Amino acid sequence: NAGVTQTPKFQVLKTGQSMTLQCAQDMNHNSMYWYRQDPGMGLRLIYYSASEGTTDKGEVPNGYNVSRLNKREFSLRLESAAPSQTSVYFCASSEYEGGEQFFGPGTRLTVL
Amino acid sequence: QQQVKQSPQSLIVQKGGISIINCAYENTAFDYFPWYQQFPGKGPALLIAIRPDVSEKKEGRFTISFNKSAKQFSLHIMDSQPGDSATYFCAASIGTNAGKSTFGDGTTLTVKP
Repeated sequence: NAGVTQTPKFQVLKTGQSMTLQCAQDMNHNSMYWYRQDPGMGLRLIYYSASEGTTDKGEVPNGYNVSRLNKREFSLRLESAAPSQTSVYFCASSEYEGGEQFFGPGTRLTVL
Repeated sequence: QQQVKQSPQSLIVQKGGISIINCAYENTAFDYFPWYQQFPGKGPALLIAIRPDVSEKKEGRFTISFNKSAKQFSLHIMDSQPGDSATYFCAASIGTNAGKSTFGDGTTLTVKP
């Protein structure tokens, strides 16, 4: 089992460009999450999907959109990237909402 | 408003010593308190977790102490090893409501040989 996989690992964007971060899990988990991690700060929840077909805003949703494509995949889209979105993005999944979360390896995004 | 405050920001301990990281929370509705361990370049991984119906939970060298009245919980790492050098995050959540979870800012632990 690969667990939670994320692509790409690294990305550099120019201000205003768009991109989609991909996340997939092979643990048959119902819930999936997107976090961002900034230096000296903990993880902040951007969006989550409690179950297939549902998505909800977390603590810092502005500037992002998500799609729960199916039970396995949960993508995060930046429509118009801003330097403030420079961060490391982590995807996570859990068997049920609020359960133990398993994290992917992260995507390091730089917006110039 | 930060709902979980973690201290210290960084910690240096000698091999064999005890590492202690503290967290304080504000929302009394929190009922699940996990600790995550993160190595450089990796995602966080669940280390140990506690619910407020117990005051202490031990797993190997790792112990969570929980003080409900003080709204504080702490991670103790006994016999700290260089391999424990990592960043540790405390977190708090409300039941199965993922939108009501919050993380501390993290503690970077360095264990010197």
